Amino acid sequence: KAGVTQTPRYLIKTRGQQVTLSCSPISGHRSVSWYQQTPGQGLQFLFEYFSETQRNKGNFPGRFSGRQFSNSRSEMNVSTLELGDSALYLCASSLRGSSPEQYFGPGTRLTVT
Amino acid sequence: AQTVTQSQPEMSVQEAETVTLSCTYDTSESNYYLFWYKQPPSRQMILVIRQEAYKQQNATENRFSVNFQKAAKSFSLKISDSQLGDTAMYFCAFVDSSYKLIFGSGTRLLVRP
Repeated sequence: KAGVTQTPRYLIKTRGQQVTLSCSPISGHRSVSWYQQTPGQGLQFLFEYFSETQRNKGNFPGRFSGRQFSNSRSEMNVSTLELGDSALYLCASSLRGSSPEQYFGPGTRLTVT
Repeated sequence: AQTVTQSQPEMSVQEAETVTLSCTYDTSESNYYLFWYKQPPSRQMILVIRQEAYKQQNATENRFSVNFQKAAKSFSLKISDSQLGDTAMYFCAFVDSSYKLIFGSGTRLLVRP
C-alpha cells in the first residue's frame, strides 16, 4: 500500500505571497492532519480534516487554512506569507477510531525570503 | 491541557548496547494512546511503537519496547541491540479523542560505532 505523499517537496516563496501544499493520504484513510515543524517551536498541530470537514484546529492565525476533497486528498494554504512561516510542513493520515496512529508523509520544506 | 515532556535533549549509545528514552505526559483523559516516532536525518517521521492507555501490557516491536506506567504518566522507550540506523530524533506523542497529536520536544539519539 502506498504511503502518504506530499507535493511539492521544496518551495521557496517571497514574503507576502501565498502558497498551497498538497497531501494524498494512504488509501482508505479519511483523516488528514497537518503539522508545522520548526527548530524553535517543535511540532505543532495545524488542523485535521475528516470526511471533508475540519474537525479540529490548532492555534494558528487565519492565514493558515485547508480543505479536503471527496477522495480524501487535502490541501493547505498559507496566505500573506511571513518569514516565520518557514518550516517543514508535515501531513499525516489516519483511520481514526481504534486505529488513531498517524502515518506521515515526507513533508514540504517551505522557505520564505 | 495535555502536555508531553522529554527531558533528555540528547543521548548517545554504543552500537549493540541498550538505551532508554524517557517521556512523561499530563492529561485528565482516561482514554488515550501514546506513540514513539522516529525522525532520521531524511526528516521522514516514522511510527515506532504505540500503546493504548487501557492496556496494562507494555507494547513491543522487535528491538523496541516501552515501559508504560499509567499512574506515574510515564512512557519510556527501550531500544535493545542499538544499530547505526537507529540514529535519529525520537518524539514521544499523545493523542486522545480529539485526534490531535501532541508531541514532546524530542530526544536526539546518536548510535556510535
